[in-house]
Amino acid sequence: GAVVSQHPSWVICKSGTSVKIECRSLDFQATTMFWYRQFPKQSLMLMATSNEGSKATYEQGVEKDKFLINHASLTLSTLTVTSAHPEDSSFYICSALGRNNEKLFFGSGTQLSVL
Amino acid sequence: GQQVMQIPQYQHVQEGEDFTTYCNSSTTLSNIQWYKQRPGGHPVFLIQLVKSGEVKKQKRLTFQFGEAKKNSSLHITATQTTDVGTYFCARDNFNKFYFGSGTKLNVKP
Repeated sequence: GAVVSQHPSWVICKSGTSVKIECRSLDFQATTMFWYRQFPKQSLMLMATSNEGSKATYEQGVEKDKFLINHASLTLSTLTVTSAHPEDSSFYICSALGRNNEKLFFGSGTQLSVL
Repeated sequence: GQQVMQIPQYQHVQEGEDFTTYCNSSTTLSNIQWYKQRPGGHPVFLIQLVKSGEVKKQKRLTFQFGEAKKNSSLHITATQTTDVGTYFCARDNFNKFYFGSGTKLNVKP
């Protein structure tokens, strides 16, 4: 199956700093990637849809200036949490649509802790 | 909203017992997908249902899509400890995927 790689797996940062998370499709080209946020024991909440070569589309309530998404190539999407605050601490997980655009392949996720 | 409701939230069963999780939508779904997330892991695709009334089986797992395409269920026969995890349904809204609240399954050996 398709493989999606996400880095880093975990990151601890100070409040006010920015953190970049990378999501790569390793063996296929992903024109569309998705960024989700998952709180402990809760569901995956769609934050934004990342489209290669165009601006990301954000879900209602998600600040685009806070969560910057760049999808510069067919295999890489990045999420930058700018000026992170403790309330941004969460599990962020990316996914990509597979070759037939039928199912999602997920990265391993990034646990962000903001002190 | 875009979310689908999923029940129950938690289910604790003895190994060998059956398990069912239900997914309900207020609007008609074009299709429904099911994913499994093991503790500490990431969601893994299980299946997609498209047709009204569709039933698909994967070994001990049976997936159903309602006639009205507003609900779906996942049934596991004779659970095993390897079935432990959270099961999510997900709706596809023009290639944007919204996940249900999930059902966390715990299986006691």
